[in-house]
Amino acid sequence: DTAVSQTPKYLVTQMGNDKSIKCEQNLGHDTMYWYKQDSKKFLKIMFSYNNKELIINETVPNRFSPKSPDKAHLNLHINSLELGDSAVYFCASSQDLFSRELDNEQFFGPGTRLTVL
Amino acid sequence: KQEVTQIPAALSVPEGENLVLNCSFTDSAIYNLQWFRQDPGKGLTSLLLIQSSQREQTSGRLNASLDKSSGRSTLYIAASQPGDSATYLCAVGGAGNMLTFGGGTRLMVKP
Repeated sequence: DTAVSQTPKYLVTQMGNDKSIKCEQNLGHDTMYWYKQDSKKFLKIMFSYNNKELIINETVPNRFSPKSPDKAHLNLHINSLELGDSAVYFCASSQDLFSRELDNEQFFGPGTRLTVL
Repeated sequence: KQEVTQIPAALSVPEGENLVLNCSFTDSAIYNLQWFRQDPGKGLTSLLLIQSSQREQTSGRLNASLDKSSGRSTLYIAASQPGDSATYLCAVGGAGNMLTFGGGTRLMVKP
């Protein structure tokens, strides 16, 4: 009955490869997010997405792309992996995106540790 | 651009002590503020969410306050326990409900 789940938990790959991380939420939420936590443990937003709009953090390279087959899933595709992409990637979800009045508490998945060799 | 700072970066206290963690942010135009707990090698657990129109929220031994005008939030932990040892993260919700995180406070509660 996990609320937000991610696969795989660990991912080790070579530089230049293309990889995907999957995220699923069973909370019935409309909005999902991807965050990156670097080696210094600093968390940074990458994307927020619902069925209406994708909002991209301007610092995210275009090698990263979120793909949502349906409202409950938001997968992260990374092309041409680089050493600096090594980090822990967290998926999150919340009920809504645009309304200030609703409870927009975000719930996080367990993270995927990506290591690029 | 929103910047979030947490002080102190690390804190060690004896069990039973009451403590306060501080969070400051530069842009007061926020949607909400959320406090999380992160255990080593684990994901984030949401502790408290304060909407921009609220001033505080309480959950058990935790109390979080928000002062938007001064760009500050505090997380108060009463009667600390060894199980409270973790990293505590403050995050400010902005446009698109995207969270901007502080660097965290690593808390160690000694038995």
